[in-house]
Amino acid sequence: AQSVTQLGSHVSVSEGALVLLRCNYSSSVPPYLFWYVQYPNQGLQLLLKYTTGATLVKGINGFEAEFKKSETSFHLTKPSAHMSDAAEYFCAVSASGGSEKLVFGKGTKLTVNP
Amino acid sequence: ETGVTQSPTHLIKTRGQQVTLRCSSQSGHNTVSWYQQALGQGPQFIFQYYREEENGRGNFPPRFSGLQFPNYSSELNVNALELDDSALYLCASSLDPKSYGYTFGSGTRLTVV
Repeated sequence: AQSVTQLGSHVSVSEGALVLLRCNYSSSVPPYLFWYVQYPNQGLQLLLKYTTGATLVKGINGFEAEFKKSETSFHLTKPSAHMSDAAEYFCAVSASGGSEKLVFGKGTKLTVNP
Repeated sequence: ETGVTQSPTHLIKTRGQQVTLRCSSQSGHNTVSWYQQALGQGPQFIFQYYREEENGRGNFPPRFSGLQFPNYSSELNVNALELDDSALYLCASSLDPKSYGYTFGSGTRLTVV
């Protein structure tokens, strides 16, 4: 079974500051890992995903995440926050074999202050 | 490429009623999943269809049922609505989830009163 824990339901940063959103996962098999972003009253947009291979994954809008198996983590970072990054971010895991259903964390709401 | 389209966008129903939500998957996507997102929570997996067959189900009661049609569009049906069914219902489609992940629609906001 898979599960995801996102540390911090709310994160606030200043414009231009580093964004760090934390995600830890639990999986009994090698995981596939995802970060999605949700803007108000909208669906989910895929930011990036890790399946196999390189552990540092680059996504859209300048975001990246690093898969660390030893720490069971997949933290999302962006060097410099922009006002348009304000949204809710969800980390998700799926099993690499069998069902491809996504198991989501509870989300982290990112606020960017001017 | 039109993306995933869901209808209606908003819906208000009375407890005990039945509801059907619709999803048009992205062109060529043969896999469709449905998720329930309660307020302030992450999405929860309801079920998935692949080429018209259900091939995965989450921890939801049988009154949640679905269909996938030959054109890969899909319906989610909920019978005997309860107040706790109030949520955003998200449809996601994919050609190959392991390779490409899922494309999500904007959802249907269901309110049960």
